[in-house]
Amino acid sequence: GEDVEQSLFLSVREGDSSVINCTYTDSSSTYLYWYKQEPGAGLQLLTYIFSNMDMKQDQRLTVLLNKKDKHLSLRIADTQTGDSAIYFCAETQVSGGSYIPTFGRGTSLIVHP
Amino acid sequence: DAGVTQSPTHLIKTRGQQVTLRCSPKSGHDTVSWYQQALGQGPQFIFQYYEEEERQRGNFPDRFSGHQFPNYSSELNVNALLLGDSALYLCASSLGWAGQAEQYFGPGTRLTVT
Repeated sequence: GEDVEQSLFLSVREGDSSVINCTYTDSSSTYLYWYKQEPGAGLQLLTYIFSNMDMKQDQRLTVLLNKKDKHLSLRIADTQTGDSAIYFCAETQVSGGSYIPTFGRGTSLIVHP
Repeated sequence: DAGVTQSPTHLIKTRGQQVTLRCSPKSGHDTVSWYQQALGQGPQFIFQYYEEEERQRGNFPDRFSGHQFPNYSSELNVNALLLGDSALYLCASSLGWAGQAEQYFGPGTRLTVT
């Protein structure tokens, strides 16, 4: 079965880089996503990567995909206090023409001054 | 341009009752997905509606049903509520339902079953 795992907490100092890691088990994953959830709010799509890509950069965000190890990471450069939130990794598997997304439990990022 | 809206914001129901949650998709979107997010967990996919039909379904019992209207809005119905149904229910909309479709989430409906 499919499973997405993330570490639960990450604490960084303002201005440093944050790296949030995720591992997944289903080799048929086609799209991998990073979402951000602030307290009391829904999820905000930050970025996504297709499984035939190794890297994607979008301003302060860099996504790295190691398909061999089924490892996905999100790097946030120059982390700010406004980046404090829960970050979810998600994958979408292809199954009989259907796309079923699976989310990890989320990594709570705490940014302190 | 309104984003995804959900109603109500909060809801308290008693075990055994039925509940209906509502979602209006982002303007221009035609696909609605529903998720259940238990406390401390990631969202779990319930089902997805496109062209007024349920296109994909996660591992949820038949007590969970839905509907999509011609204006693309959607309802999630849960019958015979259990204590374990207490969660944040998220609606997400997208244009199309393939994997590359970017989903936009609403703020959710917090359901408490007592």
